[in-house]
Amino acid sequence: EDKVVQSPLSLVVHEGDTVTLNCSYEVTNFRSLLWYKQEKKAPTFLFMLTSSGIEKKSGRLSSILDKKELFSILNITATQTGDSAIYLCAVEAYGGSQGNLIFGKGTKLSVKP
Amino acid sequence: EPEVTQTPSHQVTQMGQEVILRCVPISNHLYFYWYRQILGQKVEFLVSFYNNEISEKSEIFDDQFSVERPDGSNFTLKIRSTKLEDSAMYFCASSEVGRANYGYTFGSGTRLTVV
Repeated sequence: EDKVVQSPLSLVVHEGDTVTLNCSYEVTNFRSLLWYKQEKKAPTFLFMLTSSGIEKKSGRLSSILDKKELFSILNITATQTGDSAIYLCAVEAYGGSQGNLIFGKGTKLSVKP
Repeated sequence: EPEVTQTPSHQVTQMGQEVILRCVPISNHLYFYWYRQILGQKVEFLVSFYNNEISEKSEIFDDQFSVERPDGSNFTLKIRSTKLEDSAMYFCASSEVGRANYGYTFGSGTRLTVV
């Protein structure tokens, strides 16, 4: 059965800290891995990763994929209270699916002032 | 920025009642999805829809569930006889093509509470 596992499940840090969120996967016919930020309601897109070793970067956030070891990390540097959210990792597979995503449970990040 | 709109934002219903959750996908998108998230649990795929028919459905999407695109804009999820365990946040999503990177956008969700 396909699965996506995120760790840690929750994390509390102080403003200015750097955090690393982990996502490992076992998915048949892997196509891409996505990171989302979920604050109040809708997951909002952060990154999509398809190739190993190529870092995607957006401001203080960055992410990288390792297709050999089947994991990805999401880094947030100089965290701010506005980074507090649940960060979701999802995997898209080839085959019968047409864009349906397999999600992990998420990492709840709390950034204290 | 284009949005996926879901209504209502919160619905409370009695066990055994039928509910219809509504979604207006982004206008030029062709692929539509429903996901659900039970409180404290992961987001789970329910169904994908393309060209007026279901493309794929998960084990969760049993005979109690149905989807429809009744007109050119709405995409609905119907639960025929709700159970307590149907209480969850239901997210609609749409994409231009059946790929996660083509403007794949989630709506803000409908929180369904079955009492």
